[in-house]
Amino acid sequence: QKEVEQNSGPLSVPEGAIASLNCTYSDRGSQSFFWYRQYSGKSPELIMFIYSNGDKEDGRFTAQLNKASQYVSLLIRDSQPSDSATYLCAVDGSSNDYKLSFGAGTTVTVRA
Amino acid sequence: EAQVTQNPRYLITVTGKKLTVTCSQNMNHEYMSWYRQDPGLGLRQIYYSMNVEVTDKGDVPEGYKVSRKEKRNFPLILESPSPNQTSLYFCASSQGLANEQFFGPGTRLTVL
Repeated sequence: QKEVEQNSGPLSVPEGAIASLNCTYSDRGSQSFFWYRQYSGKSPELIMFIYSNGDKEDGRFTAQLNKASQYVSLLIRDSQPSDSATYLCAVDGSSNDYKLSFGAGTTVTVRA
Repeated sequence: EAQVTQNPRYLITVTGKKLTVTCSQNMNHEYMSWYRQDPGLGLRQIYYSMNVEVTDKGDVPEGYKVSRKEKRNFPLILESPSPNQTSLYFCASSQGLANEQFFGPGTRLTVL
């Protein structure tokens, strides 16, 4: 069974600060990595995906992938109260494994 | 509107009474899956389907059945529900495993 581990929360950051979320995974064959955001009582929604080593930026969000170290991270710059949510890391399987595994999530609270 | 629908949204039942949770998507997606979400455990994949008539077990398939007779529908069947299946269930669809998952609104199931 693949394992996806996220840094335990909750994470509380002041408005305007950077929130840093980390995720490690166990399957070296994983190729696709996703960050989903889930507001309380709502469904998860995709905010970032990354396939290649390095950084990928989208607005205030930056995803970082290091396949050699088997970790993927998400940085939220200039955090806003609307960023308060649970962030879920998701990882696909190796070439013959079509499962998608999620971490337990990290809850972020942005203090105004 | 592109969407994934689930029914019912809320269900309270008793141990052993068979139930079906329906899931339908209108995006012509190939990949569909069911997840359960429990506090502290994140999203765990129950079953997934790569295409019509192709289904496979996720990480927590015990006590569940699925079928994929049509591309748009992917019902989740609990033949004999037990209290440990009390959970929040999400159906999701995507064009493929390496693509964004679109989640339904969730079904909150309580088994007494």
